[in-house]
Amino acid sequence: DTEVTQTPKHLVMGMTNKKSLKCEQHMGHRAMYWYKQKAKKPPELMFVYSYEKLSINESVPSRFSPECPNSSLLNLHLHALQPEDSALYLCASGSTRDGYTFGSGTRLTVV
Amino acid sequence: EDKVVQSPLSLVVHEGDTVTLNCSYEVTNFRSLLWYKQEKKAPTFLFMLTSSGIEKKSGRLSSILDKKELFSILNITATQTGDSAIYLCAVSLLKGGTYKYIFGTGTRLKVLA
Repeated sequence: DTEVTQTPKHLVMGMTNKKSLKCEQHMGHRAMYWYKQKAKKPPELMFVYSYEKLSINESVPSRFSPECPNSSLLNLHLHALQPEDSALYLCASGSTRDGYTFGSGTRLTVV
Repeated sequence: EDKVVQSPLSLVVHEGDTVTLNCSYEVTNFRSLLWYKQEKKAPTFLFMLTSSGIEKKSGRLSSILDKKELFSILNITATQTGDSAIYLCAVSLLKGGTYKYIFGTGTRLKVLA
């Protein structure tokens, strides 16, 4: 299995909702990442889980919280989002040795 | 401040042309440079470069890294309309004991039939 699987593919949520994005890989990668991509912009790194250690992009607001239940799964919990948080959320896994694989993304719309 | 700059921002060519895309970087603790192709979905990994002067090839695409001058180029020969996409360059660096990734703004390539 050489894929990174993200669910759901599309999500529409209200500003008071709580939702979660899920990401799964079975390539044995010990590092997983969340990116946010707005239209016509490159992906922006949000979080890195590397060997169960979390690194945060300090500009990411606290309404986004990652969770890594195990080395194959990475969740992104969403709470009280704003309309400007609408974007494509990409999960990736990999390493400098293996290269990196991106999931197909979750397109999030906050209404 | 760590940064990755790609040029040109956009490019329009005709089928059969050869194109060269550029990526320059200024980062501390450089580890690798990666090229991606992005169409309508998530970026697709093309190459990862860690050593200077060693060309990587995949079909009509090739790439090379110059760690002295801090840049990489991505060449596409005999372009086809299917090559139309945004080409992203990203640099990985070691910061605070973990790897971080900085993307360039991308080069938007359009290949006309």
